[in-house]
Amino acid sequence: DSGVTQTPKHLITATGQRVTLRCSPRSGDLSVYWYQQSLDQGLQFLIQYYNGEERAKGNILERFSAQQFPDLHSELNLSSLELGDSALYFCASSASGRLDTQYFGPGTRLTVL
Amino acid sequence: AQSVTQLDSHVSVSEGTPVLLRCNYSSSYSPSLFWYVQHPNKGLQLLLKYTSAATLVKGINGFEAEFKKSETSFHLTKPSAHMSDAAEYFCVVSKNSGYALNFGKGTSLLVTP
Repeated sequence: DSGVTQTPKHLITATGQRVTLRCSPRSGDLSVYWYQQSLDQGLQFLIQYYNGEERAKGNILERFSAQQFPDLHSELNLSSLELGDSALYFCASSASGRLDTQYFGPGTRLTVL
Repeated sequence: AQSVTQLDSHVSVSEGTPVLLRCNYSSSYSPSLFWYVQHPNKGLQLLLKYTSAATLVKGINGFEAEFKKSETSFHLTKPSAHMSDAAEYFCVVSKNSGYALNFGKGTSLLVTP
């Protein structure tokens, strides 16, 4: 158990809908990262937050957004969902420094029908 | 930019025989390199990481990897495979541990009795 929690474990929704994925980092970790794992794209970095501020952006679509709250949990919002958004979404956290390991949560499996 | 290429998408070994999973990297910086493992329907677990200290890195569960700058390689090895090693293995590069991770496409390891 990495100490990173993600809810829900599974999410099934329809095209055009909006969903919110939630991540709680390990106790004391200030950085949160979101990754998407799909069959065709593999594992891709989406976005990173550090202590409430956006730090880095990867291949995140404009339909997607994220935030990190004062209690350091993070939410990834996916809107106008398309079939191709079906994937496993991972959250990872790290303490703060540049040499810190990222610990991954169990993921949320999103299915768009 | 940093990237990794995993040279084999599937590797099959017999239980008790050595494991070799190959990875080449490309980086304009002195990279941080990692191997992560993903068991079926599970999250990602860090096996080991290289951050410019010793070139031979020992990880969990008997795995190790050697950083070879001249060959731009970071191959993962284990002397004797166990059935529980069957999983997907990802070679990962980062500008630094606290930065976004760039994942390879993964190598699926099958261990046969």
